[in-house]
Amino acid sequence: GAGVSQSPSNKVTEKGKDVELRCDPISGHTALYWYRQSLGQGLEFLIYFQGNSAPDKSGLPSDRFSAERTGGSVSTLTIQRTQQEDSAVYLCASSLQGATGRTEAFFGQGTRLTVV
Amino acid sequence: AQSVAQPEDQVNVAEGNPLTVKCTYSVSGNPYLFWYVQYPNRGLQFLLKYITGDNLVKGSYGFEAEFNKSQTSFHLKKPSALVSDSALYFCAVRSINNAGNMLTFGGGTRLMVKP
Repeated sequence: GAGVSQSPSNKVTEKGKDVELRCDPISGHTALYWYRQSLGQGLEFLIYFQGNSAPDKSGLPSDRFSAERTGGSVSTLTIQRTQQEDSAVYLCASSLQGATGRTEAFFGQGTRLTVV
Repeated sequence: AQSVAQPEDQVNVAEGNPLTVKCTYSVSGNPYLFWYVQYPNRGLQFLLKYITGDNLVKGSYGFEAEFNKSQTSFHLKKPSALVSDSALYFCAVRSINNAGNMLTFGGGTRLMVKP
């Protein structure tokens, strides 16, 4: 596709339920990032995939959060046993990141998650 | 570890006046630096980047940024602000020395341009 695609755009879930958020990066982009943004505030880094390397999971806030990237393309962020504090906009970004790292990241429109 | 600081949560400027949004960074070695803008209820949009060469970088919508290595800064500027520039602005850094390293963002600065 032309850009980074995220689905769903909005998700309302009950506390305690599991949710899956999907990110389709730009074709050929080797780097993929997940961020969380609360109430139009700053970006909280969650996880970073780069090619076939082990992902950097240092930003995941708890073991209820996990993410995978299948075939180096689509990524799924899973939140288990959702809590109200998980309510936020979840942003995905991808970049064409070869040996130089010069390229900018392109962001999707985000998934707005509301836990009620 | 690399980091970015945006010392101002909000910048207020009158339409037609010049604007500056500040950014300082910390990274091992030389940096790649980026500015993004986020309009309400939208994703982040790339504005401009510094990779190498001229310290003054020009980007979208009339914005520019100046890389200052001695001050480890990359401030965003525009000669004449528009009301439509009101948005949330993010600075980001990546280390050249570790191109596999992730992109690190600052906390964001809200720009308010008043008519």
